[in-house]
Amino acid sequence: DQQVKQNSPSLSVQEGRISILNCDYTNSMFDYFLWYKKYPAEGPTFLISISSIKDKNEDGRFTVFLNKSAKHLSLHIVPSQPGDSAVYFCAVFPRGTGKLIFGQGTTLQVKP
Amino acid sequence: EAEVAQSPRYKITEKSQAVAFWCDPISGHATLYWYRQILGQGPELLVQFQDESVVDDSQLPKDRFSAERLKGVDSTLKIQPAELGDSAMYLCASSPAGTSGRYEQFFGPGTRLTVL
Repeated sequence: DQQVKQNSPSLSVQEGRISILNCDYTNSMFDYFLWYKKYPAEGPTFLISISSIKDKNEDGRFTVFLNKSAKHLSLHIVPSQPGDSAVYFCAVFPRGTGKLIFGQGTTLQVKP
Repeated sequence: EAEVAQSPRYKITEKSQAVAFWCDPISGHATLYWYRQILGQGPELLVQFQDESVVDDSQLPKDRFSAERLKGVDSTLKIQPAELGDSAMYLCASSPAGTSGRYEQFFGPGTRLTVL
């Protein structure tokens, strides 16, 4: 029973364009959502997060949008850079716990 | 910058052998996590420690896996005996938060285990 789903295994965009990565979740008891980035042979690194009481959070080129009615989370990267090429995981904190539940990941390739 | 340390980075073993992984969290982080990431999937929590106590080990295959954090600092994850299906990346993470905290977790570089 996958509580967090990233339905696109891969995404390819041109440098300078927008990258949109999507994530769907099934449980309304998640109250905090995060995005992690992972390069090969490294551990995931935290990118950006959003609380369930908000619908948008922005940090430089990265913006996360939360649509609670659709149980949908998205990460926008504008403009995309070749160094953004990595695997992106969305993750959620179930309410009252300190553990993360991850999606399957989306591999982003930004072409020069 | 403080980092989570893990060793070894790579481990190749034969099935039925024992393996052990070590993790040293960021200093002062009370919560420590072990995750397993199978290729093409996201990390999955195996065990969560708050100081030296196990908070959640519901996904840990206890017949062959064990984890300890004796002094509430570094931690060891052991597999005995290893099986082919255990081939994966084993990630350690730490967080300054308690069990209900919502701070981001800081991950180490992982141990890539290959079971032959």
